[in-house]
Amino acid sequence: AQTVTQSQPEMSVQEAETVTLSCTYDTSENNYYLFWYKQPPSRQMILVIRQEAYKQQNATENRFSVNFQKAAKSFSLKISDSQLGDTAMYFCAFMNPGTASKLTFGTGTRLQVTL
Amino acid sequence: GAVVSQHPSRVICKSGTSVKIECRSLDFQATTMFWYRQFPKQSLMLMATSNEGSKATYEQGVEKDKFLINHASLTLSTLTVTSAHPEDSSFYICSARDQPGRETQYFGPGTRLLVL
Repeated sequence: AQTVTQSQPEMSVQEAETVTLSCTYDTSENNYYLFWYKQPPSRQMILVIRQEAYKQQNATENRFSVNFQKAAKSFSLKISDSQLGDTAMYFCAFMNPGTASKLTFGTGTRLQVTL
Repeated sequence: GAVVSQHPSRVICKSGTSVKIECRSLDFQATTMFWYRQFPKQSLMLMATSNEGSKATYEQGVEKDKFLINHASLTLSTLTVTSAHPEDSSFYICSARDQPGRETQYFGPGTRLLVL
């Protein structure tokens, strides 16, 4: 079974600064997908970024980028130029297409962006 | 694109009654939808996988007779909490996969259920 570990329960960053959220996972699969989802106080889950394991290039979406280290099974999220609206819970998730596309979530990191 | 809606957003019911929650994919067809439960300050727990035109697949420990799932069309899945009890109070979230091969789930806004 796959497991996803987020070792940082809470993080804080000042507005306009950069912060990195860590995520590690455990799997014996070679083909899989990794995701970061954001859950603001409204509790709506929002897809931030996704990465296919077969792609070596790190995914980027505007201010959000990942550092995907397949051998180390690490998938960290970097948020640049942090904004107050980035305040949310961030969940790292793993998906093996062979398991009916089920997502396995980490326990989440609560990010607070301060002035 | 890839918008998922849920209805109702909040529901309060008496113990022993049944509650139905709808999950709709608004701008795409979803052969597969998922139902999650989230307790306060915790992660999402997958309850079941809903496949259009077939029976849902439940995760271990989830009572299929208590949490009835119907996926009658490519845009609608429903979760019915039967004979609800206070311990069923929670935040229920659905998601839909946009298409096989893309393997991305888009989430509804969630339904807060409170059983008195």
